[in-house]
Amino acid sequence: GAVVSQHPSWVICKSGTSVKIECRSLDFQATTMFWYRQFPKQSLMLMATSNEGSKATYEQGVEKDKFLINHASLTLSTLTVTSAHPEDSSFYICSARRAQGASYEQYFGPGTRLTVT
Amino acid sequence: AQTVTQSQPEMSVQEAETVTLSCTYDTSESDYYLFWYKQPPSRQMILVIRQEAYKQQNATENRFSVNFQKAAKSFSLKISDSQLGDAAMYFCAYSPGATNKLIFGTGTLLAVQP
Repeated sequence: GAVVSQHPSWVICKSGTSVKIECRSLDFQATTMFWYRQFPKQSLMLMATSNEGSKATYEQGVEKDKFLINHASLTLSTLTVTSAHPEDSSFYICSARRAQGASYEQYFGPGTRLTVT
Repeated sequence: AQTVTQSQPEMSVQEAETVTLSCTYDTSESDYYLFWYKQPPSRQMILVIRQEAYKQQNATENRFSVNFQKAAKSFSLKISDSQLGDAAMYFCAYSPGATNKLIFGTGTLLAVQP
């Protein structure tokens, strides 16, 4: 159990367009989901914390108007990169925390590679 | 600020040998968790081992064990009987108990030589 999926796994978009990435918990309910960004050969950087039914909490330096996060249900959170630019090209990873169970447990999705041309 | 430092960008070990990856962290919190995650080339994050700060006993998971030195804020990972499948990027991570956010170190790339 505790499977998290992301869709798409790889997306290429043109500069100035928007792209949506989905994160789903397949076999459990997730009250909290986290979004990370990972540049090549670098670590994961937390972008925002998403709680079901409420506004996301963004980390310092992350533009909330550029990275729109919606957590409309207990199994789905979406990250929309608006007006994407080449510098937004990165690997985006989500993780989910169970509604029940140990509070420290996070389950990671397989990631989405975004390339902006 | 809470930070996690991994001072070894790359490490190499012979198959069947033992290797230790270092991690230090900085926090003023008393309630927190520490983790080691493995990221193979597929980039799927895999939890290797977890340590609760309130527990004095070092965590172990089969061939993986940690040396948790709370006063020194040190949390090293020991991999025994290294296998080719252990080759990956290893990230040390810290999580404050109140927020469950994960703060990652910069990672150590482990190569396993046959």
